[in-house]
Amino acid sequence: DGGITQSPKYLFRKEGQNVTLSCEQNLNHDAMYWYRQDPGQGLRLIYYSQIVNDFQKGDIAEGYSVSREKKESFPLTVTSAQKNPTAFYLCASSSTGSNEQYFGPGTRLTVT
Amino acid sequence: KQEVTQIPAALSVPEGENLVLNCSFTDSAIYNLQWFRQDPGKGLTSLLLIQSSQREQTSGRLNASLDKSSGRSTLYIAASQPGDSATYLCAVPRGGGGSNYKLTFGKGTLLTVNP
Repeated sequence: DGGITQSPKYLFRKEGQNVTLSCEQNLNHDAMYWYRQDPGQGLRLIYYSQIVNDFQKGDIAEGYSVSREKKESFPLTVTSAQKNPTAFYLCASSSTGSNEQYFGPGTRLTVT
Repeated sequence: KQEVTQIPAALSVPEGENLVLNCSFTDSAIYNLQWFRQDPGKGLTSLLLIQSSQREQTSGRLNASLDKSSGRSTLYIAASQPGDSATYLCAVPRGGGGSNYKLTFGKGTLLTVNP
C-alpha cells in the first residue's frame, strides 16, 4: 500500500529531552511537510522540504529541527528549546507540480 | 496574508439531510483549494482538490464548488450518514512560485450526523 507512515502514534517525554518523530512515505513525492495541530487552532506549518537535502522553515520553526537525507524520509526533532511541545504532529507529502497534500496518521507528543 | 475562515465551527444534523459547509479565503489568487476530512485523533484525508480553472469537483456524495472572485468554496454532502461525522477542513496555497507549497488551513467545521 502506498502512503505515509508516522511513528510512534503516541510519545511521552520528560521536559528537557529532545525527541525525534519519524515520517516515511512511499508515494515517490518530492515535497514533505511537518505541521503542528493544537485544539482550537488550525494546522501550523513547522518545516517543509521540496527536495532531498534541502528544507525551509515554516511559520513556527523555533525549537524544531529536521533533516532530509532521503526522499522517503523527513524526521522531525523536537528540541528542549521548544516551549510548548505537547501537541499533535502531522506529516504530509505532495508531488512536484501538484500541491495536493497527503497526510500521515499523526503522532501525539506529550511532554511532562 | 491569506486567511481562511470556515463557518459554522460546528454543525449537527439528522441522518439523511443534505448539508453545506462553507470556506472563505481573503486572497482570490489561488491555484486550487483542497477539502479534507479529519476523524478524532487521526490524520487528514484528502477529499477533493478543485483547481482554480474548475467550478466544481465531485466524488460520490460530495460536491465541492469554487468561486474565486467571491473568495468562497462550499462542500455539499448529500444524504448525510453517521459515518460522515468528522471535522472538515479546507486549505488554499498561499501564493505562486515556491510559496505554492505552503497551505493555509481553516480551523474546520465539526460535523455531527445523528442517527
